[in-house]
Amino acid sequence: DVKVTQSSRYLVKRTGEKVFLECVQDMDHENMFWYRQDPGLGLRLIYFSYDVKMKEKGDIPEGYSVSREKKERFSLILESASTNQTSMYLCASSSPGLSSYNSPLHFGNGTRLTVT
Amino acid sequence: KQEVTQIPAALSVPEGENLVLNCSFTDSAIYNLQWFRQDPGKGLTSLLLIQSSQREQTSGRLNASLDKSSGRSTLYIAASQPGDSATYLCAVRPMDSSYKLIFGSGTRLLVRP
Repeated sequence: DVKVTQSSRYLVKRTGEKVFLECVQDMDHENMFWYRQDPGLGLRLIYFSYDVKMKEKGDIPEGYSVSREKKERFSLILESASTNQTSMYLCASSSPGLSSYNSPLHFGNGTRLTVT
Repeated sequence: KQEVTQIPAALSVPEGENLVLNCSFTDSAIYNLQWFRQDPGKGLTSLLLIQSSQREQTSGRLNASLDKSSGRSTLYIAASQPGDSATYLCAVRPMDSSYKLIFGSGTRLLVRP
């Protein structure tokens, strides 16, 4: 089974802090994603990466950056946390495989971040 | 712009009932549609993926169908159990944005003992 592990289930940070959210997958997947999930807004894509050191902006990249130095690890960085970044953050991965567009997405358990 | 809608937003049924969850999408140009389950405070678990060339997929008591031309998918759950209580989300992979999934807002299911 694919395992996507997010390092923290709950985080509480102060406004202005630099925050790192870590995600590791164990299936040698090329594609990794960061989403945030908010009530009434659903899941929104922040950033994704299709290879080491490669990244693409999603729908809501403002206030975030990412790092992919190794294939298995994809980090989301909040440069200066703000209260409107309080949310559930979900990491996901998928493999191109033989038919890249039909590879299922596998999610971690999420990190509930509260910024006070 | 692709939009995905799930109706109803919430559903409560007695244990043992067969039920259908609905998902509709506005643009039929998709690679696939995926159904997920989400338990409270947890991440999403992939249940079924239907490729655009397929009509349905089955896993245990779950059966998902896809009618691409009409922009609809259903998730059928047979003989529902309290353990099926969760939020069910569908997501499509559009052909014009191959890395992204567009998610519906989910149906919150409660199966009463």
